[in-house]
Amino acid sequence: DAGVIQSPRHEVTEMGQEVTLRCKPISGHDYLFWYRQTMMRGLELLIYFNNNVPIDDSGMPEDRFSAKMPNASFSTLKIQPSEPRDSAVYFCASSLLRGEKLFFGSGTQLSVL
Amino acid sequence: DAKTTQPTSMDCAEGRAANLPCNHSTISGNEYVYWYRQIHSQGPQYIIHGLKNNETNEMASLIITEDRKSSTLILPHATLRDTAVYYCIVRAPNRDDKIIFGKGTRLHILP
Repeated sequence: DAGVIQSPRHEVTEMGQEVTLRCKPISGHDYLFWYRQTMMRGLELLIYFNNNVPIDDSGMPEDRFSAKMPNASFSTLKIQPSEPRDSAVYFCASSLLRGEKLFFGSGTQLSVL
Repeated sequence: DAKTTQPTSMDCAEGRAANLPCNHSTISGNEYVYWYRQIHSQGPQYIIHGLKNNETNEMASLIITEDRKSSTLILPHATLRDTAVYYCIVRAPNRDDKIIFGKGTRLHILP
């Protein structure tokens, strides 16, 4: 298996633009997680899904952020409109079952100018 | 999740054993100890986990004290590629879907 695949690897955009980050989890994994990492705040959990259903979105910073999982093999994290403070590395991770170890993607480095 | 306490940073000479401590004094009976590491510019990577017995795999060993209030991750022969941030997490797999990461320990392997 190729592991968790994220795209793009790097994204540079201007303030106010819409940004869409993409994630393909490991095939057969029931759980999908979106994390954000900054120097100041460390690794933060934004939202996670179980069987394509959002379970906990309490970490989503504000209404500008939204996440979807239309099927078991694809998820998106959208920021609209983007702001400079959204600049961070965004990681997607998946796990087979509840409580199982997480497998992380390589992340998307987002820079909002 | 029970709170864990780890040193902010540690140094270890290449080829020596790296011993990374973690305190989890409020751990409950059904919570496991997990270790992940994050090498620069990569996503976190699972290392090992355990409940109360010591565990060993190809990456590391995990030593958990008898009272389960602390544990030590051991990298037996550290290499430069082991330079990373190491996260200790306690979690009940049959209760906790998610993992909350703390600050971790930044381990520097010195040549």
